[in-house]
Amino acid sequence: GAVVSQHPSRVICKSGTSVKIECRSLDFQATTMFWYRQFPKQSLMLMATSNEGSKATYEQGVEKDKFLINHASLTLSTLTVTSAHPEDSSFYICSAYTTGGVSEKLFFGSGTQLSVL
Amino acid sequence: GESVGLHLPTLSVQEGDNSIINCAYSNSASDYFIWYKQESGKGPQFIIDIRSNMDKRQGQRVTVLLNKTVKHLSLQIAATQPGDSAVYFCADSSTDSWGKLQFGAGTQVVVTP
Repeated sequence: GAVVSQHPSRVICKSGTSVKIECRSLDFQATTMFWYRQFPKQSLMLMATSNEGSKATYEQGVEKDKFLINHASLTLSTLTVTSAHPEDSSFYICSAYTTGGVSEKLFFGSGTQLSVL
Repeated sequence: GESVGLHLPTLSVQEGDNSIINCAYSNSASDYFIWYKQESGKGPQFIIDIRSNMDKRQGQRVTVLLNKTVKHLSLQIAATQPGDSAVYFCADSSTDSWGKLQFGAGTQVVVTP
Protein backbone atom coordinates (compact mmCIF):
# COMPACT_ATOMS: atom_id res chain seq x y z
CA GLY A 1 0.00 0.00 0.00
CA ALA A 2 0.90 3.64 -0.15
CA VAL A 3 3.56 4.80 2.27
CA VAL A 4 4.43 8.11 3.83
CA SER A 5 8.05 8.45 4.79
CA GLN A 6 9.18 10.88 7.44
CA HIS A 7 12.78 11.89 8.06
CA PRO A 8 14.57 12.09 10.38
CA SER A 9 12.97 9.77 12.91
CA ARG A 10 14.83 11.41 15.74
CA VAL A 11 16.77 14.65 16.04
CA ILE A 12 18.53 16.37 18.90
CA CYS A 13 19.50 20.00 18.50
CA LYS A 14 20.75 22.92 20.51
CA SER A 15 18.45 25.70 21.54
CA GLY A 16 18.33 28.45 18.94
CA THR A 17 19.04 26.27 15.94
CA SER A 18 16.59 25.32 13.20
CA VAL A 19 15.50 21.82 12.32
CA LYS A 20 13.90 20.60 9.11
CA ILE A 21 11.62 17.58 8.99
CA GLU A 22 10.66 15.97 5.70
CA CYS A 23 7.46 14.17 4.81
CA ARG A 24 7.39 12.25 1.55
CA SER A 25 4.66 10.33 -0.17
CA LEU A 26 6.53 7.43 -1.72
CA ASP A 27 4.19 6.05 -4.35
CA PHE A 28 1.43 8.59 -4.71
CA GLN A 29 1.02 12.29 -5.22
CA ALA A 30 -0.24 14.28 -2.30
CA THR A 31 -1.60 17.75 -2.98
CA THR A 32 -2.39 18.09 0.70
CA MET A 33 -0.42 17.00 3.72
CA PHE A 34 -1.02 17.62 7.39
CA TRP A 35 1.39 18.25 10.24
CA TYR A 36 0.59 17.22 13.82
CA ARG A 37 2.42 17.63 17.09
CA GLN A 38 2.17 15.26 19.99
CA PHE A 39 3.49 15.85 23.50
CA PRO A 40 4.14 12.88 25.83
CA LYS A 41 0.97 11.16 27.04
CA GLN A 42 -1.15 13.52 24.96
CA SER A 43 -3.11 13.39 21.78
CA LEU A 44 -2.13 14.52 18.31
CA MET A 45 -2.83 18.17 17.70
CA LEU A 46 -3.15 19.47 14.17
CA MET A 47 -0.65 22.24 13.48
CA ALA A 48 -1.20 23.04 9.85
CA THR A 49 -2.44 21.95 6.48
CA SER A 50 0.23 21.93 3.82
CA ASN A 51 -0.94 22.64 0.28
CA GLU A 52 1.22 21.97 -2.74
CA GLY A 53 2.12 25.17 -4.50
CA SER A 54 0.47 27.49 -2.02
CA LYS A 55 0.79 28.73 1.53
CA ALA A 56 0.08 26.45 4.43
CA THR A 57 -2.98 26.96 6.57
CA TYR A 58 -2.13 27.11 10.24
CA GLU A 59 -4.36 26.20 13.16
CA GLN A 60 -5.15 28.78 15.76
CA GLY A 61 -2.28 29.29 18.15
CA VAL A 62 0.40 27.87 15.88
CA GLU A 63 3.05 30.43 14.95
CA LYS A 64 3.57 30.38 11.21
CA ASP A 65 6.92 32.16 11.50
CA LYS A 66 8.08 29.57 13.98
CA PHE A 67 6.94 26.51 12.07
CA LEU A 68 7.73 27.04 8.41
CA ILE A 69 6.01 24.71 5.99
CA ASN A 70 7.02 24.24 2.40
CA HIS A 71 5.16 21.97 -0.01
CA ALA A 72 7.09 22.52 -3.19
CA SER A 73 6.25 19.25 -4.92
CA LEU A 74 3.45 16.72 -4.97
CA THR A 75 5.51 14.25 -2.96
CA LEU A 76 7.31 16.39 -0.40
CA SER A 77 6.33 18.67 2.42
CA THR A 78 8.85 20.04 4.90
CA LEU A 79 8.36 21.46 8.37
CA THR A 80 11.13 23.68 9.69
CA VAL A 81 11.17 24.49 13.36
CA THR A 82 13.02 27.78 13.49
CA SER A 83 15.04 28.94 16.49
CA ALA A 84 14.01 25.85 18.40
CA HIS A 85 13.63 25.99 22.15
CA PRO A 86 13.17 23.21 24.73
CA GLU A 87 9.40 23.75 24.74
CA ASP A 88 9.38 22.77 21.04
CA SER A 89 10.55 19.30 21.99
CA SER A 90 7.79 17.02 20.79
CA PHE A 91 6.82 14.22 18.44
CA TYR A 92 5.96 15.62 15.03
CA ILE A 93 3.86 13.53 12.64
CA CYS A 94 2.74 14.15 9.10
CA SER A 95 -0.07 12.62 7.11
CA ALA A 96 -1.02 12.60 3.47
CA TYR A 97 -3.85 11.28 1.38
CA THR A 98 -4.47 10.16 -2.13
CA THR A 99 -7.55 11.35 -3.92
CA GLY A 100 -10.79 9.98 -2.58
CA GLY A 101 -12.55 9.93 0.76
CA VAL A 102 -11.71 6.50 2.10
CA SER A 103 -9.64 6.24 5.24
CA GLU A 104 -7.43 3.58 3.76
CA LYS A 105 -6.05 6.32 1.55
CA LEU A 106 -5.01 8.55 4.44
CA PHE A 107 -1.53 7.63 5.56
CA PHE A 108 0.63 8.72 8.47
CA GLY A 109 4.36 9.03 8.66
CA SER A 110 6.28 7.29 11.41
CA GLY A 111 6.94 10.52 13.25
CA THR A 112 9.96 12.60 14.23
CA GLN A 113 11.02 12.94 17.83
CA LEU A 114 12.56 16.37 18.32
CA SER A 115 14.59 17.03 21.44
CA VAL A 116 15.88 20.57 21.96
CA LEU A 117 18.64 20.93 24.54
CA GLY B 1 -12.57 13.52 19.38
CA GLU B 2 -12.25 15.61 22.46
CA SER B 3 -8.70 16.07 23.64
CA VAL B 4 -8.53 16.81 27.33
CA GLY B 5 -4.90 17.70 27.99
CA LEU B 6 -2.63 15.55 30.10
CA HIS B 7 -5.12 12.89 31.05
CA LEU B 8 -4.56 9.55 29.35
CA PRO B 9 -6.98 6.94 30.69
CA THR B 10 -5.74 3.40 31.04
CA LEU B 11 -7.70 0.26 30.37
CA SER B 12 -6.29 -2.95 31.78
CA VAL B 13 -7.58 -6.06 30.07
CA GLN B 14 -6.82 -9.69 30.61
CA GLU B 15 -5.65 -11.57 27.56
CA GLY B 16 -8.58 -13.20 25.81
CA ASP B 17 -11.17 -10.81 27.21
CA ASN B 18 -12.99 -8.22 25.13
CA SER B 19 -12.00 -4.56 25.32
CA ILE B 20 -14.26 -1.57 24.94
CA ILE B 21 -12.76 1.85 24.40
CA ASN B 22 -14.94 4.93 24.41
CA CYS B 23 -14.59 8.31 22.82
CA ALA B 24 -16.62 11.51 22.67
CA TYR B 25 -16.54 14.06 19.90
CA SER B 26 -17.86 17.58 19.87
CA ASN B 27 -18.26 18.66 16.26
CA SER B 28 -21.81 18.09 15.06
CA ALA B 29 -20.61 18.56 11.48
CA SER B 30 -18.25 15.58 11.68
CA ASP B 31 -19.39 12.79 9.42
CA TYR B 32 -16.41 10.52 9.31
CA PHE B 33 -14.77 8.73 12.21
CA ILE B 34 -11.64 6.65 12.51
CA TRP B 35 -9.94 4.61 15.19
CA TYR B 36 -6.17 4.52 15.31
CA LYS B 37 -3.69 2.46 17.27
CA GLN B 38 -0.39 4.03 18.24
CA GLU B 39 2.59 2.20 19.64
CA SER B 40 5.32 4.05 21.45
CA GLY B 41 7.45 6.21 19.16
CA LYS B 42 5.42 5.40 16.05
CA GLY B 43 2.81 7.08 13.93
CA PRO B 44 -0.90 6.18 14.17
CA GLN B 45 -2.00 2.96 12.52
CA PHE B 46 -5.47 2.74 10.97
CA ILE B 47 -7.81 0.24 12.60
CA ILE B 48 -11.33 0.88 11.36
CA ASP B 49 -13.54 3.71 10.23
CA ILE B 50 -17.22 4.52 10.05
CA ARG B 51 -19.32 7.14 8.31
CA SER B 52 -22.16 9.02 9.90
CA ASN B 53 -24.79 7.16 7.88
CA MET B 54 -23.92 4.00 9.80
CA ASP B 55 -24.08 3.12 13.47
CA LYS B 56 -22.01 -0.03 13.45
CA ARG B 57 -19.20 -1.48 11.44
CA GLN B 58 -17.22 -4.63 11.94
CA GLY B 59 -13.71 -5.57 11.00
CA GLN B 60 -11.38 -8.34 11.94
CA ARG B 61 -11.77 -8.69 15.73
CA VAL B 62 -12.88 -5.06 15.96
CA THR B 63 -16.24 -3.34 15.94
CA VAL B 64 -16.93 0.38 15.92
CA LEU B 65 -20.19 1.78 17.21
CA LEU B 66 -21.36 5.30 16.51
CA ASN B 67 -24.05 7.14 18.44
CA LYS B 68 -24.58 10.48 16.77
CA THR B 69 -27.27 11.53 19.20
CA VAL B 70 -24.82 11.76 22.07
CA LYS B 71 -21.71 12.19 19.90
CA HIS B 72 -20.15 9.00 21.16
CA LEU B 73 -17.91 6.46 19.49
CA SER B 74 -16.67 3.14 20.80
CA LEU B 75 -14.21 0.51 19.70
CA GLN B 76 -14.65 -3.08 20.72
CA ILE B 77 -11.74 -5.47 20.44
CA ALA B 78 -12.60 -9.14 20.68
CA ALA B 79 -10.28 -11.64 22.34
CA THR B 80 -7.68 -9.04 23.23
CA GLN B 81 -4.10 -10.12 22.63
CA PRO B 82 -0.78 -8.86 24.05
CA GLY B 83 -0.08 -7.25 20.68
CA ASP B 84 -3.12 -5.06 21.19
CA SER B 85 -1.34 -3.17 23.97
CA ALA B 86 -1.02 0.40 22.71
CA VAL B 87 -2.68 3.80 22.86
CA TYR B 88 -5.94 4.03 20.94
CA PHE B 89 -7.26 7.28 19.51
CA CYS B 90 -10.51 8.14 17.88
CA ALA B 91 -10.49 10.89 15.29
CA ASP B 92 -13.22 12.71 13.45
CA SER B 93 -13.38 14.66 10.27
CA SER B 94 -15.92 16.15 7.93
CA THR B 95 -16.46 15.74 4.22
CA ASP B 96 -15.63 19.35 3.48
CA SER B 97 -12.25 19.11 5.22
CA TRP B 98 -11.35 15.52 4.56
CA GLY B 99 -8.07 14.35 5.97
CA LYS B 100 -8.01 17.09 8.61
CA LEU B 101 -8.50 15.09 11.78
CA GLN B 102 -9.50 16.07 15.29
CA PHE B 103 -8.09 13.46 17.63
CA GLY B 104 -9.53 12.38 20.93
CA ALA B 105 -7.52 12.17 24.14
CA GLY B 106 -6.53 8.55 23.69
CA THR B 107 -6.78 5.46 25.87
CA GLN B 108 -3.82 3.37 26.94
CA VAL B 109 -4.72 -0.32 26.68
CA VAL B 110 -2.61 -2.71 28.73
CA VAL B 111 -3.12 -6.39 28.12
CA THR B 112 -2.14 -8.64 30.98
CA PRO B 113 -1.49 -12.38 30.65
